[in-house]
Amino acid sequence: GIQVEQSPPDLILQEGANSTLRCNFSDSVNNLQWFHQNPWGQLINLFYIPSGTKQNGRLSATTVATERYSLLYISSSQTTDSGVYFCAVDLYNFNKFYFGSGTKLNVKP
Amino acid sequence: DGGITQSPKYLFRKEGQNVTLSCEQNLNHDAMYWYRQDPGQGLRLIYYSQIVNDFQKGDIAEGYSVSREKKESFPLTVTSAQKNPTAFYLCASTGGGEETQYFGPGTRLLVL
Repeated sequence: GIQVEQSPPDLILQEGANSTLRCNFSDSVNNLQWFHQNPWGQLINLFYIPSGTKQNGRLSATTVATERYSLLYISSSQTTDSGVYFCAVDLYNFNKFYFGSGTKLNVKP
Repeated sequence: DGGITQSPKYLFRKEGQNVTLSCEQNLNHDAMYWYRQDPGQGLRLIYYSQIVNDFQKGDIAEGYSVSREKKESFPLTVTSAQKNPTAFYLCASTGGGEETQYFGPGTRLLVL
């Protein structure tokens, strides 16, 4: 199956700092999504981004499909940004997603 | 409010017992999914269903069973054949022309 690798596995930031999370995938994909899992386990979709760049407030994402990676940017981080960030890819556009192992972010006040 | 509900929030299973986790959605989505998450890990697909009365095995289907008799409901049964069922179980759905996956709040299953 497709391999999805996320880096770094853990990240500690001071409030107000910026960060970049990376997702590499081993095959061409039709769908790529970024999720945030809060400390209570709830997953929230951040971006649907199979290619190109999108922005939503302090968050933005870029996917370079030809080079098989995606980046999630967090600017001016806040303590509420803490949690685990996952990327997930769909290989055949059948909505069968493969998840990376996540980046655990801890933003300190 | 539209969304996905899962129940119970916590579930305890005894040895040799089958237990069923509930997942209901009122988003009118066609596709529904069950994932398992172990501590510090990503999500792994157990089963998914693209339409009513049809479902496919994911990567870790052994020891689990599902049904999809109604569009709104996709219950997951953890059978006694699943020897290591302790995990966090998440249900999701997609549809309505959107590619985005929506997740329920999850069920934590513990073995007594």
